[in-house]
Amino acid sequence: DAKTTQPTSMDCAEGRAANLPCNHSTISGNEYVYWYRQIHSQGPQYIIHGLKNNETNEMASLIITEDRKSSTLILPHATLRDTAVYYCIVRGGGSNYKLTFGKGTLLTVNP
Amino acid sequence: EAGVAQSPRYKIIEKRQSVAFWCNPISGHATLYWYQQILGQGPKLLIQFQNNGVVDDSQLPKDRFSAERLKGVDSTLKIQPAKLEDSAVYLCASSLDMGHGYTFGSGTRLTVV
Repeated sequence: DAKTTQPTSMDCAEGRAANLPCNHSTISGNEYVYWYRQIHSQGPQYIIHGLKNNETNEMASLIITEDRKSSTLILPHATLRDTAVYYCIVRGGGSNYKLTFGKGTLLTVNP
Repeated sequence: EAGVAQSPRYKIIEKRQSVAFWCNPISGHATLYWYQQILGQGPKLLIQFQNNGVVDDSQLPKDRFSAERLKGVDSTLKIQPAKLEDSAVYLCASSLDMGHGYTFGSGTRLTVV
């Protein structure tokens, strides 16, 4: 799996958009970008995933650059409950379906 | 739909003792995963099952860890004997099939003293 690079921590004001960056410069053509988050004392929770196009769901938006070497997860209106560790994961296609987690970004939403 | 159930929620044991964790995946999910998460780190995959067969156990310390998924449903992960460095949260996850999204349980927090 391609390696990802994320900032260790970020802060965001409640009600503002949170933009979490991720670099994955060695991503291959058939590899997806997945985002999970982990709230304290819980298991990781799926947020969103994409291949080439930008994606949006009820939780977040995923913006993938045209060269696919980086992406940004956007939480449009962050709340205190969005405080969590956010993991950007590149997941292989074919027979390599594993999710390999890095250390992620600790997002702290401040009142 | 019911989530992934894990028990116990917490466990404290002395080093060299044995311990077992139980996982009940979402009904119908063929793929089951066990992850180990040490404090401050991301989860690390220990073993992956497809139905009742092992797909990947390359990072499972087989001298002390074992796992089984009899009948392709529930799974147990055992550590025998435990070491101090095994203190971690053990997460179980399941997915409909390989390549689908994972659903994680809340984990079992193991403390070895």
